[in-house]
Amino acid sequence: SSELTQDPSVSVALGQTVRITCQGDSLRSSYAGWYQQKPGQAPVLVMYGKHNRPSGIPDRFSGSSSGNTASLTITGAQAEDEGDYYCNCRDSSANHLVFGGGTKLTVL
Amino acid sequence: QVQLVESGGGVVQPGRSLRLSCTASGFSISDYAMHWVRQAPGKGLEWVAVIWFDGSNEFYADSVKGRFTISRDESKNTLYLHMNSLRPEDRAVYYCARDGLVGATRVSFLDHWGQGTLVTVSS
Repeated sequence: SSELTQDPSVSVALGQTVRITCQGDSLRSSYAGWYQQKPGQAPVLVMYGKHNRPSGIPDRFSGSSSGNTASLTITGAQAEDEGDYYCNCRDSSANHLVFGGGTKLTVL
Repeated sequence: QVQLVESGGGVVQPGRSLRLSCTASGFSISDYAMHWVRQAPGKGLEWVAVIWFDGSNEFYADSVKGRFTISRDESKNTLYLHMNSLRPEDRAVYYCARDGLVGATRVSFLDHWGQGTLVTVSS
C-alpha cells in the first residue's frame, strides 16, 4: 500500500513534548518529509531524511523512523508551532509522492 | 533566494481547460525535479505530478493522469500544468514545489513551495 496514515489531531501543553506519527509500508524503504502548514499559508518543510532540519527550523523539531513508522517530535512546544503537519515519502515506484492525511496540532 | 510564484488560477467551467504557471527564481529548474501539489478546500495535500530535472520523465497521480500535463520552459525558468477536462473535484489550491535533491531521478521531499493559485471548477 502507498498510503500514509496520521492521527487527525494531537494536542500538547505549552512547553511540553509532542510526537506526531506517520505510518505506511512505503516508509520501510523511504524516509519521510515533514511539513508544517498554517492557515492560509503554503506548507513549509520542517524535517527530511533520517533527521535533517532545513535552515531556519528550530532545533526543538526532531525526526525519527522505525520500520513502517516515521515520527516528528517537538520538544518544548511553542504557541507558534500550532498548525497542520503532513508527512510524505516516495511510493514503491520512486516516481510518485504520497502524503499523509495531516495532523492538526493544538498547543494548549 | 529561492522563490516560486504560481499564476493562472481562476474559475473555469467543467470540461474546460486551464494552464497554470510557476515562475522560479534563485535557482534553475534544469537542476531539480519540479512538482505540482494541490489542496482542496479544508482538505489535505495531494501530490499531482512531477517532471524530472532534465525533462526526461513525467509522472502523474492516477486522479489526473490523461487529463493533466506537466511541462517546463527552461529559457523562462517556468513550470506549467496544463489541465484539460476539468472536473468539480479538481477545485483546489495548486502549489508548485521543488524537489529537495538536485539532479535526482527519484522523488523525495519538497524543500520550497510557492504560495499557491486557486482553481475553481464550476458552471
